[in-house]
Amino acid sequence: DAGITQSPRHKVTETGTPVTLRCHQTENHRYMYWYRQDPGHGLRLIHYSYGVKDTDKGEVSDGYSVSRSKTEDFLLTLESATSSQTSVYFCAISEARTSDYNEQFFGPGTRLTVL
Amino acid sequence: AQSVTQPDIHITVSEGASLELRCNYSYGATPYLFWYVQSPGQGLQLLLKYFSGDTLVQGIKGFEAEFKRSQSSFNLRKPSVHWSDAAEYFCAVATGGGNKLTFGTGTQLKVEL
Repeated sequence: DAGITQSPRHKVTETGTPVTLRCHQTENHRYMYWYRQDPGHGLRLIHYSYGVKDTDKGEVSDGYSVSRSKTEDFLLTLESATSSQTSVYFCAISEARTSDYNEQFFGPGTRLTVL
Repeated sequence: AQSVTQPDIHITVSEGASLELRCNYSYGATPYLFWYVQSPGQGLQLLLKYFSGDTLVQGIKGFEAEFKRSQSSFNLRKPSVHWSDAAEYFCAVATGGGNKLTFGTGTQLKVEL
């Protein structure tokens, strides 16, 4: 299994509080991704990173920010959590060996509940 | 923009029966297609992928999928389902060079013993 960990694995927080989720990899892969999973929607891309300090928005980026100060860590921040951000969050990584698509490997997920 | 449709939200099959999960995609060029499986409380595991070449691809756990360009489909099949196959299955499409995936909404598979 790819070396991907997510922390925390579970979190309950209140509306309006800031929340940061961490994804850590030991594979030295270039690409890192944050998805959210909701019933009836599958997985949707929030943000992704193609290198240190290089990030871009995904399909559902509103209300989220990311940072990547080193290869192994990709942080997802909810500046002011809302109930609509209650979800399961997955991190994924991939290596840019070619110009074509490279397989993504997924972390175990973080279940976030915003009350 | 690319999109993926999985028309079946839930499917129930008996153990030992055959299985086919449907996936239709929308993408202008030749797509890169994937099937992932998610067991309860777990992350996603890649079952198989199609990039080019033979349109029938084999994956792990006895699964296979067939790419049909004329039908824009990439259906997942298994000849004989095991109780441990109960999980949620996601079809996904990627754009070449983009390194991004678009997922379908998933199909929840229940296996009756």
